[in-house]
Amino acid sequence: DQQVKQNSPSLSVQEGRISILNCDYTNSMFDYFLWYKKYPAEGPTFLISISSIKDKNEDGRFTVFLNKSAKHLSLHIVPSQPGDSAVYFCAASGGGGATNKLIFGTGTLLAVQP
Amino acid sequence: KAGVTQTPRYLIKTRGQQVTLSCSPISGHRSVSWYQQTPGQGLQFLFEYFSETQRNKGNFPGRFSGRQFSNSRSEMNVSTLELGDSALYLCASSEGGGEPQHFGDGTRLSIL
Repeated sequence: DQQVKQNSPSLSVQEGRISILNCDYTNSMFDYFLWYKKYPAEGPTFLISISSIKDKNEDGRFTVFLNKSAKHLSLHIVPSQPGDSAVYFCAASGGGGATNKLIFGTGTLLAVQP
Repeated sequence: KAGVTQTPRYLIKTRGQQVTLSCSPISGHRSVSWYQQTPGQGLQFLFEYFSETQRNKGNFPGRFSGRQFSNSRSEMNVSTLELGDSALYLCASSEGGGEPQHFGDGTRLSIL
């Protein structure tokens, strides 16, 4: 039972354009969502997070949007840079901060073309 | 601040052996979690330790165990290794609930 889904295995974007990565979840108990970026042979790097009490969070070029009614979140990267090319994972947790158990999606490989 | 450090980076074992992996969290972080990454199952939660106590456990057999020491360093142990245990094992630390986890670069375990 895949509680967190990333339906696009890959995405290709031109440098300078917007990258939009999507994630769907099924468990309504999730209250905290995160995005991680992963390069080969390295661990995931934290990018940005959002609590379920918000619908948007921004950090520089990265913005995460949360639509609770649709159980959907998205990560926008503007402008996209070649160095953004990596696998992006969304992750979710529930329990009001009492646990750090993260459920991960399967990842989306982003390729930013120069 | 130093990041999460995992040792060793690579390990080769044979079926039936046991293995211990080590994780040093970011200074000040009391929560340490372990994850397994495989091509077929993706990233899966193993367990979390907070202040030396196991706070949560994933759906893995009892061959997988862990512990946390008073300095927050953590170890995980896998006994009676099986071929399917070949994976990247990742450790993550955080200050506690509600704060993002930061990952180490993992230990690549290969079972022959």
